[in-house]
Amino acid sequence: EADIYQTPRYLVIGTGKKITLECSQTMGHDKMYWYQQDPGMELHLIHYSYGVNSTEKGDLSSESTVSRIRTEHFPLTLESARPSHTSQYLCASLPPWRQGTEAFFGQGTRLTVV
Amino acid sequence: GQNIDQPTEMTATEGAIVQINCTYQTSGFNGLFWYQQHAGEAPTFLSYNVLDGLEEKGRFSSFLSRSKGYSYLLLKELQMKDSASYLCAVADSNYQLIWGAGTKLIIKP
Repeated sequence: EADIYQTPRYLVIGTGKKITLECSQTMGHDKMYWYQQDPGMELHLIHYSYGVNSTEKGDLSSESTVSRIRTEHFPLTLESARPSHTSQYLCASLPPWRQGTEAFFGQGTRLTVV
Repeated sequence: GQNIDQPTEMTATEGAIVQINCTYQTSGFNGLFWYQQHAGEAPTFLSYNVLDGLEEKGRFSSFLSRSKGYSYLLLKELQMKDSASYLCAVADSNYQLIWGAGTKLIIKP
């Protein structure tokens, strides 16, 4: 059983609000990722991190920021939520690479901006 | 650029066999993954191929041809619970996962 957790599971907020989506993993993985996924669509990489104090932008990084102060914690912040941010957000972590290494996903946060 | 192509949707009958194809063009190759994703849930790992050939795991098998940039996922003895999206992903030269858009598989009784 993978130990990666996201909170909240569901969130409805108003336009213009600042929100932080939480992601924590207890597996000691250095690599962590945030994806955005609309229903029936592909995963889009928002941000990723290769370890503490390392953060990189993905394809959809605009309007959001991340931090990696501790190995186990990788929060995603939207400074000013908009209806276009309505989507599912998935956090994933990856152990050190070896053949067959799989990514572990959190249960996701379904965000609705009204 | 990097690109992964899969059919958008497929339909099959309970008890039958279905093959989901995936073609890829990436900067380097460190293996190909198949994930299953039920609606509203996170993806779950199914298989990994890095060498050419067929890997069998119960009712699911995955095939890889690196020279052709091609893989398929074969599902046998289909069950209604197999209705889900199936995501193909390739690890590139930087070990970054490049994801396909997924194939929605609909199982009919």
